[in-house]
Amino acid sequence: DQQVKQNSPSLSVQEGRISILNCDYTNSMFDYFLWYKKYPAEGPTFLISISSIKDKNEDGRFTVFLNKSAKHLSLHIVPSQPGDSAVYFCAASADGTSYGKLTFGQGTILTVHP
Amino acid sequence: DTGVSQDPRHKITKRGQNVTFRCDPISEHNRLYWYRQTLGQGPEFLTYFQNEAQLEKSRLLSDRFSAERPKGSFSTLEIQRTEQGDSAMYLCASSYPGPGNTIYFGEGSWLTVV
Repeated sequence: DQQVKQNSPSLSVQEGRISILNCDYTNSMFDYFLWYKKYPAEGPTFLISISSIKDKNEDGRFTVFLNKSAKHLSLHIVPSQPGDSAVYFCAASADGTSYGKLTFGQGTILTVHP
Repeated sequence: DTGVSQDPRHKITKRGQNVTFRCDPISEHNRLYWYRQTLGQGPEFLTYFQNEAQLEKSRLLSDRFSAERPKGSFSTLEIQRTEQGDSAMYLCASSYPGPGNTIYFGEGSWLTVV
C-alpha cells in the first residue's frame, strides 16, 4: 500500500524555468509534509516542509503548496538551476509520538539542462 | 562537522555474516531514526529511539535486525546472518521531538551482500 506517491519518475526542465514536482497521498492522518533532495550515494537533504494548517510555504527559490482536499502537494523551484538536478522525495508524517516516522514517495529525478 | 555521521559508509559482506552499522546523531537531538533504501525506492522506516528507548519498530525489521542506543547518544544497527535481500543503503536520521522539527539524515551506509 503506497501511501505517498510520486507518479512522475522523471522531469526535465531548462535552466531558468520553473520545475514543478508533484506528490499525492492517501492517508488522511498525515499532517506534516517534507521535501528532500538526494544525490547518488548520499543521504537525503532537507529542503522545505509544510504543516497541514498551511497551504503554502516559501523558502527562497522553493515553494511547497498543499491541497488537503485533493491530498496533493507540489514543490515549485523557480528559477531552476543545473545544481538542482537530483532525486526529489516527498515525505509525510502523522502527529503524535510517531512524528519522524516518515513515509516517502518513490522519488522524481529532476534534470535541469543548461 | 556537526551533522549526522554514519560508519562505515560502505560494507561488502558474504551471505551469512553479521554486520553492524554505527550512527552518531546531531548532538542534543534526542530522537534517532533508522531507514532503509533500495534502488528506485524511497527510504523506508525501520525503527526509532527517543533517548535510549526504542519506541517503534517496523515489520520490515525482522528478527535478524537489532538496533540499540545504549546511552541515548550513538546508535548501532546489527544485521545477523545477512541475506542478499539485505543489500541496501541504511540511513540514520535525528531530530528534536515533536512536529515541526526538521529530520536530518546522515550520508548512509551502503551494504552489499554477496
